[in-house]
Amino acid sequence: AQSVTQPDIHITVSEGASLELRCNYSYGATPYLFWYVQSPGQGLQLLLKYFSGDTLVQGIKGFEAEFKRSQSSFNLRKPSVHWSDAAEYFCAVGAGAGGTSYGKLTFGQGTILTVHP
Amino acid sequence: DGGITQSPKYLFRKEGQNVTLSCEQNLNHDAMYWYRQDPGQGLRLIYYSQIVNDFQKGDIAEGYSVSREKKESFPLTVTSAQKNPTAFYLCASSISLGWGEQYFGPGTRLTVT
Repeated sequence: AQSVTQPDIHITVSEGASLELRCNYSYGATPYLFWYVQSPGQGLQLLLKYFSGDTLVQGIKGFEAEFKRSQSSFNLRKPSVHWSDAAEYFCAVGAGAGGTSYGKLTFGQGTILTVHP
Repeated sequence: DGGITQSPKYLFRKEGQNVTLSCEQNLNHDAMYWYRQDPGQGLRLIYYSQIVNDFQKGDIAEGYSVSREKKESFPLTVTSAQKNPTAFYLCASSISLGWGEQYFGPGTRLTVT
C-alpha cells in the first residue's frame, strides 16, 4: 500500500525567506505526486503535480517541487515566501493503472506554514 | 465558471440522526470522491465513484453511504452508525479514475452533538 510522510507538522519562516517542505512517499512503482494547499476552512487547491518526465516541476504561486526517486521524496520549495503563503500544505501520492490502489490518492498529514512579517 | 459546490458550508445535527451532504460538479468529470478531514490526520477517503451508478468503499466507509444517480452529483449520507461524525468533509472530482488531478470543493463542516 502507498503511504506519505510529511515530517514537519509546523514550520515558521520570515517573509522573504526561502522555504522547503518535505515529503517522503512509499510506493512500489512510479507514483503520481501532488502538492495541495489549504487555507483555514477551505477546500484544497492544487499547487503542482508530477506524472512523468522532467523531475523538476513548476507550479502556481512560484512554487516548485523535485521528484527524487532514489530518496522517495517530492519536496516543495519556494525561493521567497510571501505572507499570503501561510496555509496548510498537503503532499499526496496516487497509484497508476494496475496498482491495487488505482485511482486513489493517499495524503500526508499536512504541514502548517506560518509566515512572520 | 466550472467547479465543485458543496452545501451547506456548516451543518449541525443531533446524535442519532442521519444527514446528507451535497456535492455537485459541472466539470464533466467521471470520477468523484468523498474525504473526511480531522485535525492532524490529513484526508482519508470515504467513498469514490468511477462512473454513474458505480461506487466503491474507501478506507473509512463504515457508517457512511453514497449514491451516484447522475454524473454531476455524488451525495454522502452520514448515518447514525458513524461513531464519530463531527469532521470536515471534502468532495472532489477528476476527469476519470486514476487520471489527472483531483479538484476539490469548499467543504462542509458537520457538527453532531
